Amino acid sequence: DAGITQSPRHKVTETGTPVTLRCHQTENHRYMYWYRQDPGHGLRLIHYSYGVKDTDKGEVSDGYSVSRSKTEDFLLTLESATSSQTSVYFCAISESTDLRGAQHFGDGTRLSIL
Amino acid sequence: AQSVTQLDSQVPVFEEAPVELRCNYSSSVSVYLFWYVQYPNQGLQLLLKYLSGSTLVKGINGFEAEFNKSQTSFHLRKPSVHISDTAEYFCAVSGGLTGGGNKLTFGTGTQLKVEL
Repeated sequence: DAGITQSPRHKVTETGTPVTLRCHQTENHRYMYWYRQDPGHGLRLIHYSYGVKDTDKGEVSDGYSVSRSKTEDFLLTLESATSSQTSVYFCAISESTDLRGAQHFGDGTRLSIL
Repeated sequence: AQSVTQLDSQVPVFEEAPVELRCNYSSSVSVYLFWYVQYPNQGLQLLLKYLSGSTLVKGINGFEAEFNKSQTSFHLRKPSVHISDTAEYFCAVSGGLTGGGNKLTFGTGTQLKVEL
């Protein structure tokens, strides 16, 4: 299994509070991704990183920010959480530089915003 | 732009019976396709991938998939399922991203339920 650790695994918080999710990899892969999984939508890309300090938006980036100060860590921040951000969040990594690369996923963080 | 359609949200099947999970895709670039499996409370695990060459792709756990360009399909099959195959299955197509790497566009998933 790919060495990907997501923390926390579960979190319950209140609307309006900031939340940070962490993804840590031991594979030294260049590319890291954050997805959210919601019923009826599959997985959707929030943000991704193609190197230290190099990040960009995915298809559902509103309300989220990311940072990558080290190769192994990719942080996802909800500056002011809303109930619509209740979801399961997955981090993925890939070493491939082209479209043929498979991504490897962490076990997810289940986030509930009340 | 890429898109993936998994028409069946749930597929019930008896143990040792064959199963096919359907996936249709739309892509304006070279087509690279993936099937992932998700067991309860776990992340997604790669089952198999089509990059080029033979249209029949074999994966882990006895699964295989056939790429059909004319039908724009990539259906997943297993000749005899086991109770442990109960899981959710996702089809995905690869697309490009600024800076490199690839964006996976996922279907909405098919829940396979194997019954005794």
